[in-house]
Amino acid sequence: DAKTTQPPSMDCAEGRAANLPCNHSTISGNEYVYWYRQIHSQGPQYIIHGLKNNETNEMASLIITEDRKSSTLILPHATLRDTAVYYCIVRPTTSGTYKYIFGTGTRLKVLA
Amino acid sequence: KAGVTQTPRYLIKTRGQQVTLSCSPISGHRSVSWYQQTPGQGLQFLFEYFSETQRNKGNFPGRFSGRQFSNSRSEMNVSTLELGDSALYLCASSKDRGLSEQYFGPGTRLTVT
Repeated sequence: DAKTTQPPSMDCAEGRAANLPCNHSTISGNEYVYWYRQIHSQGPQYIIHGLKNNETNEMASLIITEDRKSSTLILPHATLRDTAVYYCIVRPTTSGTYKYIFGTGTRLKVLA
Repeated sequence: KAGVTQTPRYLIKTRGQQVTLSCSPISGHRSVSWYQQTPGQGLQFLFEYFSETQRNKGNFPGRFSGRQFSNSRSEMNVSTLELGDSALYLCASSKDRGLSEQYFGPGTRLTVT
């Protein structure tokens, strides 16, 4: 079973920041938070991952709460091409099964 | 750098037949995972191979099998196809297990009639 909870859908105006929340209240100490997105009819695309510090790359920022029970993916200036399903995943990276368990994700629609 | 490639991209088979799908990972990547995606069940993990050994397996029947070759290329096989096997089959590669992110291929769209 997925270990994360995400809202099923969100809308965002083009040019505005898109903030996608994820709840992972049962996260373990060795589990990282990963974000992927899937644009229609394509394979999922890696966005970002983090353990407990906030992370930023050219695509997005990841904000993880101090207790690590939730996180937010931020797309700073959403474009129409960011319309996709966004998946938040927690998985161990130092031991265990390593496998990704995808939930149902958040369908983000960027509006012109 | 070439991405993950999957062949064929589209396939139509009849119930009872078997099918083999192929995945070539990104050069230097040693881990290959397979996923099944359907509208009803979403993205479901099938199995993971690393160094030619299956390391993880999802909750799928034994009709689903796979293997990995010494060059990290991987194949998955589905025997005795059922209508419910119609899906998008995705392959993903990563450098190692653990922290490495996965890079997905475009998928193989399998239709079982």
